[in-house]
Amino acid sequence: DTAVSQTPKYLVTQMGNDKSIKCEQNLGHDTMYWYKQDSKKFLKIMFSYNNKELIINETVPNRFSPKSPDKAHLNLHINSLELGDSAVYFCASSSRGMGSDNEQFFGPGTRLTVL
Amino acid sequence: KQEVTQIPAALSVPEGENLVLNCSFTDSAIYNLQWFRQDPGKGLTSLLLIQSSQREQTSGRLNASLDKSSGRSTLYIAASQPGDSATYLCAVGGSYIPTFGRGTSLIVHP
Repeated sequence: DTAVSQTPKYLVTQMGNDKSIKCEQNLGHDTMYWYKQDSKKFLKIMFSYNNKELIINETVPNRFSPKSPDKAHLNLHINSLELGDSAVYFCASSSRGMGSDNEQFFGPGTRLTVL
Repeated sequence: KQEVTQIPAALSVPEGENLVLNCSFTDSAIYNLQWFRQDPGKGLTSLLLIQSSQREQTSGRLNASLDKSSGRSTLYIAASQPGDSATYLCAVGGSYIPTFGRGTSLIVHP
């Protein structure tokens, strides 16, 4: 039983294209996140969603648009892809985004390569 | 703004050694601190979660401590094994904005 799943696992595309990454969690969590891990392995939060609503957008270009159709899904759409968007993107979820028992669970990641 | 630092950045040890990985943070107003393991090309696996009111947590050969007042956490790995080789990340839990350190890359050689 995969708790947090992402598709696709690998994505190779040309500069200027538009692409989407899907994320689903079956943990019944209220909060979901998107992270970007760069080539130096630094993991930086991009978005936090709670109950389908955007809570935090951490200085991410507006070419990145998250969409949450329901609490279990948080998709990431990227327009006009640039070389610098190449990275591994991780989806995560937690029970409610705050609180001392708020434990995060991560998906396997999507490796995006922009040529 | 919360900043998280992990020292050392890399560590290579022979099998059987006891290890200490360090994580420090600048803002002590945290909800919790979580330690993760990341294997090459893989996602993050949660190892331990220490709530802000707790001092330590243990799981098998792993023990994590938290000192909020000094802004520090340590992950202690007892009797290290080659299978422990991975990158270890700490994440400080804030309100909807978890902040990660850059990780400690650990190699345990036979």
